[in-house]
Amino acid sequence: AQSVTQPDIHITVSEGASLELRCNYSYGATPYLFWYVQSPGQGLQLLLKYFSGDTLVQGIKGFEAEFKRSQSSFNLRKPSVHWSDAAEYFCAVGIKAAGNKLTFGGGTRVLVKP
Amino acid sequence: SQTIHQWPATLVQPVGSPLSLECTVEGTSNPNLYWYRQAAGRGLQLLFYSVGIGQISSEVPQNLSASRPQDRQFILSSKKLLLSDSGFYLCAWSPTILGEVSYGYTFGSGTRLTVV
Repeated sequence: AQSVTQPDIHITVSEGASLELRCNYSYGATPYLFWYVQSPGQGLQLLLKYFSGDTLVQGIKGFEAEFKRSQSSFNLRKPSVHWSDAAEYFCAVGIKAAGNKLTFGGGTRVLVKP
Repeated sequence: SQTIHQWPATLVQPVGSPLSLECTVEGTSNPNLYWYRQAAGRGLQLLFYSVGIGQISSEVPQNLSASRPQDRQFILSSKKLLLSDSGFYLCAWSPTILGEVSYGYTFGSGTRLTVV
């Protein structure tokens, strides 16, 4: 079965600094990969997704992610963080099967210092 | 455009009481539907998913059940709530396009359930 690991539970970053969130997956083939963001008390919003092609994916809100097959990773980055980026971020892996289920990582909570 | 509605937004229920959370999707047909639970400080756990009316798959044995009485309606229920049922419940849908998962999920805004 597929699994997703987000090694960092919390990350604190200063406003204007760069941000990188790590995601590692375990799956026998190339999976579909997603990053979602969750503001407090809200549902999840899709930031970006990868399923084939260019391994550097651009998303909304200035985020990008890079798929590295050799490292089984799909790290999320943003060059300059804004206070509004404080939220919880989830990496997810999907497989093409009945129900198209997504498996989520445990999440990384990002705090932004002024 | 497609929208997903989930209600209520918050709910406080006593132990032993029944539960019914509802989720509806608009603007699409034959969606895959999902119920996730997010316990405090933890990730998302898939509880149920449905690929069609009356078709429910359970991922985790528990005190909850799900039903899909209509194409775009998904209901999460319990006959008797436990304290451990407290959490943030999220409904989501994904399109069924030849089994393609690349579109990912669209989530509802969630229900915060507190069992007291």
